[in-house]
Amino acid sequence: LAKTTQPISMDSYEGQEVNITCSHNNIATNDYITWYQQFPSQGPRFIIQGYKTKVTNEVASLFIPADRKSSTLSLPRVSLSDTAVYYCLVGGWGGATNKLIFGTGTLLAVQP
Amino acid sequence: ETGVTQSPTHLIKTRGQQVTLRCSSQSGHNTVSWYQQALGQGPQFIFQYYREEENGRGNFPPRFSGLQFPNYSSELNVNALELDDSALYLCASSLEAAAGNTIYFGEGSWLTVV
Repeated sequence: LAKTTQPISMDSYEGQEVNITCSHNNIATNDYITWYQQFPSQGPRFIIQGYKTKVTNEVASLFIPADRKSSTLSLPRVSLSDTAVYYCLVGGWGGATNKLIFGTGTLLAVQP
Repeated sequence: ETGVTQSPTHLIKTRGQQVTLRCSSQSGHNTVSWYQQALGQGPQFIFQYYREEENGRGNFPPRFSGLQFPNYSSELNVNALELDDSALYLCASSLEAAAGNTIYFGEGSWLTVV
């Protein structure tokens, strides 16, 4: 099962673009990459998910290189309310790989 | 709102007691999994249920057990509670146990064992 590695913490200022990179060297063929945001005492909130190349939605972009051994979550123009823990998740449902392994999480602190 | 609801939101139990936590999955989702999140750590997978059958389990002892009902709601039962069981218990649901399906989490149940 893939293990992920993320920076423990990052600092940013309001209005900046933030990129958080996750390493997952042992990702399996059927694994998807998913990012979640979690505020204290709340459940993780889905941000974005991808398999390869680039995925974009209304809140973030996810960049995945061809070898899929890493991924980068990009948050455009962060605000104070983006201060949270961000988890990189690698896994797939079904078959032998049916559990999701959370990474260490990256605590993003956005300052005024 | 993810449509995944959990109850109770908070509870306190004594060491050695038993606890049951409940989860209603998002409408139409037949796959439910449970996670344990200790303070300051990431969620740890406990087990997953797909159409009322357990089809995956993490590194948790047998005193952690579960059920999934025909309406796809689920229960997590923990027997012989230990102090280290104090944590946030998260329920997550998805449509089918298939790769790529988005998984939605509830807000969790805070369990304190004293």
